Order: sequence, then structure tokens, then C-alpha cells
Amino acid sequence: KQEVTQIPAALSVPEGENLVLNCSFTDSAIYNLQWFRQDPGKGLTSLLLIQSSQREQTSGRLNASLDKSSGRSTLYIAASQPGDSATYLCAVSRDGSARQLTFGSGTQLTVLP
Amino acid sequence: DAGVIQSPRHEVTEMGQEVTLRCKPISGHDYLFWYRQTMMRGLELLIYFNNNVPIDDSGMPEDRFSAKMPNASFSTLKIQPSEPRDSAVYFCASSSSGLVSSYNEQFFGPGTRLTVL
Repeated sequence: KQEVTQIPAALSVPEGENLVLNCSFTDSAIYNLQWFRQDPGKGLTSLLLIQSSQREQTSGRLNASLDKSSGRSTLYIAASQPGDSATYLCAVSRDGSARQLTFGSGTQLTVLP
Repeated sequence: DAGVIQSPRHEVTEMGQEVTLRCKPISGHDYLFWYRQTMMRGLELLIYFNNNVPIDDSGMPEDRFSAKMPNASFSTLKIQPSEPRDSAVYFCASSSSGLVSSYNEQFFGPGTRLTVL
């Protein structure tokens, strides 16, 4: 059974700092990996999706990397802003046609002004 | 597109009552997923459909839960009878297998916050 772990559970940084969020998964037979953002009381917003054959994806100040063989992904946020404060979730989809997601428990990020 | 639409956004009911949650997926998407989020267990997949057919309902907690998808634009998740431990946020998500550029990226609705007293 796939297990997804995110470390740290919570992170507080001053504005402007670059930061890295970590995600690890136990079964490397994945189809893709998604990073989501969740604001309090809100739904999930997809940030980046990395295919199993890819090494990284970039969107603005966000860069996500994937090392499938070691079961790890990182989300790099450059020049953090208070508006980046949210919970960040990573999720992996199983190989094959199923594609349902297994989620980590998330990292709660607070960027202090 | 309006994205995935869920209703109601909030539901408060008493134990033993029937609860029906509704979802409208993004037009053209052929996969629909129901998830539940709690503090204790995080986000869990309950059931998913492909082309309106239930494919995997192994995440449905018990027989009190049922889900249907009568057509490509509508799905329901029903709890009967409801219990306090069913209190959670229920999310619906959809994705498309036909859009190569999105590689089955899942798009989530805003969720329904259910409170069972």
C-alpha cells in the first residue's frame, strides 16, 4: 500500500526566504505526482504536476522535482511572500489506468511579513 | 469553465438523518472522484467513476455510504443514516484522460463541510 509522508508538518519563515518542502513515497510505481495548495476552509488548488518520466516542473516562483527511484519529491518556493501561507499537499497517482491519488498529510507554511 | 461545482457548501444535520452531497464535474472530464478530509486521517479517496461507471469503491467506509453518477455532469454521495463520525469535508474532483497536456491532472471542487450532531 502506497504511503506518502511530508516533512516538516509545519514551517514558519520570514518573507523573502527561499524554502523547500519535502515529500516521500514508498512505492515507486507511480504515474504522476501533484503538488496542491490548500487555504484554510478552502478546496485544493493544483500547483504543479510531474509525470513519472520527468525530473522537474516549474511555474513562476515554484519548482517541483521528482526522483522516482528514491521515492522523493521537493517543492521549492523562491522569494516567499505572506500570500504563500497555506498548507501544501503532495499526492501520487498509481501506475496503470486507475490514477486515483494518495495524499500526504501536508506541510503548513507560514510566511511572516 | 466554472470548475468543479459542489453543493451544499455547508451541511449541518442530526444523527440518523439522510445526507446527500452533490457534484458537477468539469465538462468533458471522464473521471470523477469523491474524497473525504478529516484532521485525523487527512484526505482519503472514497470512490471514483470512469465514464459514469463506479470503478473502485474500496474506500467507502461502510454500507451507509453510497454514490451514484447518473450522467456525465452529475454525481451524488449519500450517507444514510448519518453519524457524528461522518463529520468531515467531502471533496469532489474530476480529470480527463483525453487531454495529453494535463496527464490526468485532478481538479478539485470547494468541498462540502458536513457536521453531524
